[in-house]
Amino acid sequence: AQKITQTQPGMFVQEKEAVTLDCTYDTSDPSYGLFWYKQPSSGEMIFLIYQGSYDQQNATEGRYSLNFQKARKSANLVISASQLGDSAMYFCAMREGLGGGSEKLVFGKGTKLTVNP
Amino acid sequence: KAGVTQTPRYLIKTRGQQVTLSCSPISGHRSVSWYQQTPGQGLQFLFEYFSETQRNKGNFPGRFSGRQFSNSRSEMNVSTLELGDSALYLCASSPQGGLQETQYFGPGTRLLVL
Repeated sequence: AQKITQTQPGMFVQEKEAVTLDCTYDTSDPSYGLFWYKQPSSGEMIFLIYQGSYDQQNATEGRYSLNFQKARKSANLVISASQLGDSAMYFCAMREGLGGGSEKLVFGKGTKLTVNP
Repeated sequence: KAGVTQTPRYLIKTRGQQVTLSCSPISGHRSVSWYQQTPGQGLQFLFEYFSETQRNKGNFPGRFSGRQFSNSRSEMNVSTLELGDSALYLCASSPQGGLQETQYFGPGTRLLVL
């Protein structure tokens, strides 16, 4: 079973509008962390935002916010006021608390976001 | 503070050859992880090193190996290259490799196997 599911292979949004990228996850571990990364065509993975499983509030970082619904196991990324430079692949990832400091990142398949002028 | 650096950025090899990729983590980071990214399989975890010890390993054949030096720099080696090894290889670092720590990625090494 997939640990991270991103159901939107591609998304289109108009410049200055908001967009939500979906992510659902599967884990039985009570301790986990959820991450969103952006990957432009250059290939580098750029960290955007983090949400811990015990965090009470949704994470926010500038124009990025994470809509964390723990019971539904979803961690959707919301980008407000989209910019042309936001066009990229977006990956949702999870780290589970395996213990012993040996956690790894598991990634979803990604969503390609295109921002239209 | 300088980011994660990877060398070389691009490589072209032929089947059967071997290749060594290098990764220098952010200063002070002791955990280094490697990932392979292909269009078909997406991003897959290769292994993680911490204090010169491999702590975690993904589901890859023994042709893929790595090591970490005392200054936390890491190398990964792929022996007997196959066409399917063509990929973007990403290295990431974090302070301790802990659950809540963000992994910061380098620009990647694009490997093409002919």
